Amino acid sequence: GAVVSQHPSRVICKSGTSVKIECRSLDFQATTMFWYRQFPKKSLMLMATSNEGSKATYEQGVEKDKFLINHASLTLSTLTVTSAHPEDSSFYICSAGSFYEQYFGPGTRLTVT
Amino acid sequence: GENVEQHPSTLSVQEGDSAVIKCTYSDSASNYFPWYKQELGKRPQLIIDIRSNVGEKKDQRIAVTLNKTAKHFSLHITETQPEDSAVYFCAAEARTGTASKLTFGTGTRLQVTL
Repeated sequence: GAVVSQHPSRVICKSGTSVKIECRSLDFQATTMFWYRQFPKKSLMLMATSNEGSKATYEQGVEKDKFLINHASLTLSTLTVTSAHPEDSSFYICSAGSFYEQYFGPGTRLTVT
Repeated sequence: GENVEQHPSTLSVQEGDSAVIKCTYSDSASNYFPWYKQELGKRPQLIIDIRSNVGEKKDQRIAVTLNKTAKHFSLHITETQPEDSAVYFCAAEARTGTASKLTFGTGTRLQVTL
């Protein structure tokens, strides 16, 4: 199957700083990528749909100014958590691929202290 | 929007027994239903999926059934093995205009005991 990578796998940052997470499709082009958030022992909650060359589509309740998404190329989407707070600590996972074949990245565990 | 409910939240079976996980969905227009397996600290992996034009699909020890009228679908694992222990998520396609997205169930933690 297709390979999706994420970087970094883990990040610890101080409250008030910004953190950028990268999602890359390694062996295919992805016009659409999805960003999810997963709390411990909980389900995956879709945050936004990242569209190459256009603005991301955010789910209801997700602050677009806090979670900045950029999809500048067919193989890279980035999620920037701005002015992070402890409540932003979570597991962030991206996925990419055609709709019926979504491949997930390995996830990024963000801890805000 | 789409709402997906999943039961049970935890399931413990003995090795060799069968496990069944059930999901219901709300959007009658949904037509794609994948199942994902997620091991601790790892990414979700697609294990089987079904489209609305079929009622059942099987892949070795794993099968999925779909009842579109009742809007529910189930995952069946036979002859369970310890390596089947993981969290399983069902999902349903939700369409908003021309865009599609997956809505996930709340997950089932399956424990296969020796």
